[in-house]
Amino acid sequence: QVQLQESGPGLVKPSQTLSLACTVSGASISSGGYYWSWIRQHPGEGLEWIGYIYKSGSTFYNPSLKSRLTISVDTSKNQFSLKLSSVTAADTAVYFCAGTPYSGSPVAIDYWGQGTLVTVSS
Amino acid sequence: QSVLTQPPSASGTPGQRVTISCSGSSSNIGSNTVNWYKQLPGTAPKLLIYSNNQRPSGVPDRFSGSKSGSSASLAISGLQSEDEADYYCAAWDDSLNGVVFGGGTKLTVL
Repeated sequence: QVQLQESGPGLVKPSQTLSLACTVSGASISSGGYYWSWIRQHPGEGLEWIGYIYKSGSTFYNPSLKSRLTISVDTSKNQFSLKLSSVTAADTAVYFCAGTPYSGSPVAIDYWGQGTLVTVSS
Repeated sequence: QSVLTQPPSASGTPGQRVTISCSGSSSNIGSNTVNWYKQLPGTAPKLLIYSNNQRPSGVPDRFSGSKSGSSASLAISGLQSEDEADYYCAAWDDSLNGVVFGGGTKLTVL
């Protein structure tokens, strides 16, 4: 069973970089057999796709976030990470990491982390 | 403003059948498969339907999905109190080159 756990600061100052990591257990990041995704949910609102990484390096990003976004993997820690630069209050949200086998679709996400609230405030 | 359009709310009584619609366009639902998620308050979404009408292991057959043209629907039969949740549709969008979600439908079991 694949399990994911987000970690990172819960409070980020405006204009700084939001950095989150997702630790994966039950699957190997280095195997390249999964799409590893980030999705966020603004308070009281719907889901917003952030992006995903697969094949240990290829990425697809939400066009509206692309200029500020980096998703990468750290195979030594079996983690993938999210970095979002120049954050504003509009980036305050619950951030979910997620994964789905490469045999499926990156839109049909099987495994989710519990989510972590990141607040952007000074 | 979500790319995929869902009604904000739906309701039904126990045992009833309810449907939730998801409307898109030729660049998303019209040319790609639709997936549905269920989300309980304070928890992560759970995949309910993939590839328009397929249920992951463990999802009851009370849940079914369909697609026609650029629209899709989720049907829940034999409504139960534990079905009260938010439901989201999702699809790939060829124009945006990314995943798009519906705005979500809050289902209330009366």
